[in-house]
Amino acid sequence: GENVEQHPSTLSVQEGDSAVIKCTYSDSASNYFPWYKQELGKRPQLIIDIRSNVGEKKDQRIAVTLNKTAKHFSLHITETQPEDSAVYFCAAIDTGFQKLVFGTGTRLLVSP
Amino acid sequence: KAGVTQTPRYLIKTRGQQVTLSCSPISGHRSVSWYQQTPGQGLQFLFEYFSETQRNKGNFPGRFSGRQFSNSRSEMNVSTLELGDSALYLCASSLGQGQGEQYFGPGTRLTVT
Repeated sequence: GENVEQHPSTLSVQEGDSAVIKCTYSDSASNYFPWYKQELGKRPQLIIDIRSNVGEKKDQRIAVTLNKTAKHFSLHITETQPEDSAVYFCAAIDTGFQKLVFGTGTRLLVSP
Repeated sequence: KAGVTQTPRYLIKTRGQQVTLSCSPISGHRSVSWYQQTPGQGLQFLFEYFSETQRNKGNFPGRFSGRQFSNSRSEMNVSTLELGDSALYLCASSLGQGQGEQYFGPGTRLTVT
């Protein structure tokens, strides 16, 4: 089945810096890669996703890149703000079981 | 459209009791997945239901069970509660099995004393 690894587990940046979170997956047939943001005490919220027919997708300060050959995808946040502080989860589809498999999460702390 | 709802939001139980949690998906969504999240931990997959059938199951003991009704609402049950079952239980709905975009409910925080 699908295995998703996520790094780093914690990331501290200064406000205004960029942050990058990386994930690798094992199922070469996987075709959908979402990212979720979970603020303290709240539900995970889908913030951006990418499908395997594109290599990059942007939405204002966040972007996701996908390298199918290497089987990894990354979340990029530019001009970070304190409100970006949260736990971020990546995920990929397990095409055999037809379910999402989540990474272990990255705790991002943006200091003012 | 209304989002995913879960009831109750908070629950306190004692060891040995059982508990039932409820999840109402977004209208039109037929798949409901359940996750357990403990402090500092990721999302541990419990099971997924699609059209009233359990399609996938995670590595949890048989004390954890669930079901889905014809209106796609889902319940999960935990019997013989243990202290380690204290967690945030999240459900997520999607259009169909393996359809990608999942939307989470606010969760039920279960405390076992």
